[in-house]
Amino acid sequence: GQNIDQPTEMTATEGAIVQINCTYQTSGFNGLFWYQQHAGEAPTFLSYNVLDGLEEKGRFSSFLSRSKGYSYLLLKELQMKDSASYLCAAMDSNYQLIWGAGTKLIIKP
Amino acid sequence: DAMVIQNPRYQVTQFGKPVTLSCSQTLNHNVMYWYQQKSSQAPKLLFHYYDKDFNNEADTPDNFQSRRPNTSFCFLDIRSPGLGDAAMYLCATSRADSGANVLTFGAGSRLTVL
Repeated sequence: GQNIDQPTEMTATEGAIVQINCTYQTSGFNGLFWYQQHAGEAPTFLSYNVLDGLEEKGRFSSFLSRSKGYSYLLLKELQMKDSASYLCAAMDSNYQLIWGAGTKLIIKP
Repeated sequence: DAMVIQNPRYQVTQFGKPVTLSCSQTLNHNVMYWYQQKSSQAPKLLFHYYDKDFNNEADTPDNFQSRRPNTSFCFLDIRSPGLGDAAMYLCATSRADSGANVLTFGAGSRLTVL
């Protein structure tokens, strides 16, 4: 079956760095997405990886290893506004998104 | 700004009383999606339209129906809401020929069933 695994909850300190991991199993693979979702709001797109390696976008970076079925989202210089859920989603061979349940990130001062 | 707009943002209904949720988009995207999301769970795809082609997910209950009268609008009808249908309903759009197929979401409609 198709599956996404990511931690349920993580806690980090303002100004620090946090890495949110995601492992996936899909029928075929057409890319890995990260979305940010604040409580009670819609998900917003953060990143897309389809090739192995690290993609950097300001304070946020995303990494992909296709051979390991593994991705992570790296958040640097954490700010209180980064408190949110981070959803990992993999696109299968039919271009359908398989979603994880999200990692709730709690930032403490 | 081009965007995805959902109405209403909050809907309260009684058990069994039909509800219609609407979604409009100004992005001119050819694909539209309806997701159901319950607290701390992954979004669950209910339906999607590729242009006019309607795709119903195999496990979407018969209680849920959808209409897309034109490119810009899409509706989700819940014929007889039960307590288990209380959730956030998310509309999303994408361009299927865009390679990455990034979804743009509306703000969501939160349904409460009494």
